[in-house]
Amino acid sequence: AQSVSQHNHHVILSEAASLELGCNYSYGGTVNLFWYVQYPGQHLQLLLKYFSGDPLVKGIKGFEAEFIKSKFSFNLRKPSVQWSDTAEYFCAVMTDSGGYQKVTFGTGTKLQVIP
Amino acid sequence: DTEVTQTPKHLVMGMTNKKSLKCEQHMGHRAMYWYKQKAKKPPELMFVYSYEKLSINESVPSRFSPECPNSSLLNLHLHALQPEDSALYLCASSLNSDHNEQFFGPGTRLTVL
Repeated sequence: AQSVSQHNHHVILSEAASLELGCNYSYGGTVNLFWYVQYPGQHLQLLLKYFSGDPLVKGIKGFEAEFIKSKFSFNLRKPSVQWSDTAEYFCAVMTDSGGYQKVTFGTGTKLQVIP
Repeated sequence: DTEVTQTPKHLVMGMTNKKSLKCEQHMGHRAMYWYKQKAKKPPELMFVYSYEKLSINESVPSRFSPECPNSSLLNLHLHALQPEDSALYLCASSLNSDHNEQFFGPGTRLTVL
């Protein structure tokens, strides 16, 4: 069965610091990859996605992620974080499950940005 | 309309009650999903409906009964739940069940006493 690992459970950064959140998955087949964000008290929102093509994908709010197939990784980056980026970030992997697409989420990383 | 709505926002029920959670979308999506999210845990897939037919049931206990009356609506009927079923129940939809991003609703916070 596929699994998704997010190694950082809680990250604390000062404003303007650079961010990189790790995501690794275990699945040998074709995958589609996502990063979702959940702001305090709000619902899950899509930050960015990778289906095919350029492995460096850009999302909303200045976020980007790089798919490295050989490392089974899809790390999220942002060059300069803001206080408003305080949220929980989930990596998710979509795989084929008996002809249907199934999404498995990582355990999440809570990001706290200090002004 | 680009959102998924869920009602109620909060629900408290006893172990002998019968209640239903509702989810609605008007984006023309043909795949709809139920997830369960416990505190400080990621969402876990429960059910997938594709073109109003149940396509995935992730070994969910029968006290949870999904229903998809039409392409815009998804219900989750609850009966004889246990306190450990208390969680945030998320609904999501996607264009279809094939390689498409999922749009999530705000969830229903369920407490079982």
